[in-house]
Amino acid sequence: SAVISQKPSRDICQRGTSLTIQCQVDSQVTMMFWYRQQPGQSLTLIATANQGSEATYESGFVIDKFPISRPNLTFSTLTVSNMSPEDSSIYLCSVQIGQEYGYTFGSGTRLTVV
Amino acid sequence: RKEVEQDPGPFNVPEGATVAFNCTYSNSASQSFFWYRQDCRKEPKLLMSVYSSGNEDGRFTAQLNRASQYISLLIRDSKLSDSATYLCVVNSGASGGSYIPTFGRGTSLIVHP
Repeated sequence: SAVISQKPSRDICQRGTSLTIQCQVDSQVTMMFWYRQQPGQSLTLIATANQGSEATYESGFVIDKFPISRPNLTFSTLTVSNMSPEDSSIYLCSVQIGQEYGYTFGSGTRLTVV
Repeated sequence: RKEVEQDPGPFNVPEGATVAFNCTYSNSASQSFFWYRQDCRKEPKLLMSVYSSGNEDGRFTAQLNRASQYISLLIRDSKLSDSATYLCVVNSGASGGSYIPTFGRGTSLIVHP
């Protein structure tokens, strides 16, 4: 399985500002997934990021709010823009190495917007 | 109807008990299935894949029923350390041939002495 380094692990941000979350994978992967998990809830897929193309966003998520970069096969960033308290959540990146191996997650970014 | 549904629990069981979780999915074209474990304030971690023939890993047994569109997880001889949230994950095909995972909301298990 892959090893993912996700930064920052947590942050407290002022409303109206932006935070960029980074994920570095120790192997090359085609697809990276970005999730949000609110307290007591399951994971909600924000977008899927492929290298060399624009990310594919799920319903309810837009590029202006959550721009994603995928400059190469081992790295991706998710930016939470113009934050409000409703954006307070845990954000996770994930990759899959082979269909039968499931998904590996970064350790998550715990974001609090005040 | 949600794509992947789980009973949120919590399931509160004594040590040594056997407990079973079910997860139903709505997309009959779903290709692969997994059980994940998530501890409080931690990321989900793969517990086991679920194969059509069923599979076992120590105290854990996973089964898939394609006809009824559900998967199950059985935990025997529960330990205190099994206390966690168990997430069901279903892979379905998307455009371009890639697979997109859908997570259930998780089932909480509390094992008490």
